[in-house]
Amino acid sequence: QQPVQSPQAVILREGEDAVINCSSSKALYSVHWYRQKHGEAPVFLMILLKGGEQKGHDKISASFNEKKQQSSLYLTASQLSYSGTYFCGTEYNNAGNMLTFGGGTRLMVKP
Amino acid sequence: NAGVMQNPRHLVRRRGQEARLRCSPMKGHSHVYWYRQLPEEGLKFMVYLQKENIIDESGMPKERFSAEFPKEGPSILRIQQVVRGDSAAYFCASSPGNIQYFGAGTRLSVL
Repeated sequence: QQPVQSPQAVILREGEDAVINCSSSKALYSVHWYRQKHGEAPVFLMILLKGGEQKGHDKISASFNEKKQQSSLYLTASQLSYSGTYFCGTEYNNAGNMLTFGGGTRLMVKP
Repeated sequence: NAGVMQNPRHLVRRRGQEARLRCSPMKGHSHVYWYRQLPEEGLKFMVYLQKENIIDESGMPKERFSAEFPKEGPSILRIQQVVRGDSAAYFCASSPGNIQYFGAGTRLSVL
């Protein structure tokens, strides 16, 4: 079953913050976050493993709440280059198996 | 280290023809995944392969679609007797075991 992402779309001004959520109805082993620009490959951002950790680099970070079966991606002081569609991919076991992706969140950052 | 290479980038086929999509994984990666993406939608898992083995093909249609990852050479996704509904972007990802890195995709158009 596909994880649910919210919001579906968001428009920001440069420098504003955003939060993208990814919720699953099944217990998660890991959550993978990707950003895809139109017509391009999805680019890996980060992976969060079971254990409720928080990760980040630069001004993009994410958290993983195992009990709530959800992950959130935090974009702070957004830049124009952050525009794109963000996907969470969920893994339900440690079998090196496929990712089940959410429907995506379209983010547009305006000057 | 070159990224995941997919070719062709664009492929046009008439209904009833065959489509062959190729994917060369990153050096050292032994896991290959194929995903399909319709416009404005998320990625849908099709098949997961390791060298000479199909590990999970639960996302692949039972008819007309096949995939292989031979000992030598790229992974091939083959679609026989294409129909208009097969038009989509097909992405390949490779992994050393955890993080999946995506290629730029093949955009298949069926006339």
